[in-house]
Amino acid sequence: DAGVTQSPTHLIKTRGQQVTLRCSPKSGHDTVSWYQQALGQGPQFIFQYYEEEERQRGNFPDRFSGHQFPNYSSELNVNALLLGDSALYLCASSYNVHEQYFGPGTRLTVT
Amino acid sequence: AQSVTQLGSHVSVSEGALVLLRCNYSSSVPPYLFWYVQYPNQGLQLLLKYTTGATLVKGINGFEAEFKKSETSFHLTKPSAHMSDAAEYFCAVSESRNNDMRFGAGTRLTVKP
Repeated sequence: DAGVTQSPTHLIKTRGQQVTLRCSPKSGHDTVSWYQQALGQGPQFIFQYYEEEERQRGNFPDRFSGHQFPNYSSELNVNALLLGDSALYLCASSYNVHEQYFGPGTRLTVT
Repeated sequence: AQSVTQLGSHVSVSEGALVLLRCNYSSSVPPYLFWYVQYPNQGLQLLLKYTTGATLVKGINGFEAEFKKSETSFHLTKPSAHMSDAAEYFCAVSESRNNDMRFGAGTRLTVKP
């Protein structure tokens, strides 16, 4: 079992650009959550997808959007990037339990 | 909404000494509580969790935590620190099975030889 995988590992974007991050959940998991972890801080909940729909959303602007595919994989899209969007973006998957498995994250740098 | 406060952004102990990382939570309903560990340039790994039942929870790598409702606390302990325990530790709380978890700011543990 490969666990939760995320791609890319790192990327650098310019202010105003758009970015798409990808996540493949652990085998057997149907729920994907996304978190933003700024340097020196704890992860902040962005949103959660279940059955291809956004089930819950944290306090993030509409520039942050997502999608879940029939195979349960997920994408996080961020439009009109700001310098403050620079962070580690973590994906976590779960299946009807409280235990979330986290991927290694995607490090986004906005210049 | 639920929230977590981790007391002490940095904790330093000697190898073999007791590890105590503090976590206090706020929740309007019975909480689900978690401790995660994060090594440099890696994702988060679950150490232990409390959902219901026994208030003393044992996790991986010799860690344990005790849920104290009266104190709204969920402190993490380990009797004897090892060099490999050096990492960032996060406490998290959830109020529902939908796993909307709120994390604390983290505590960086340093282990001195």
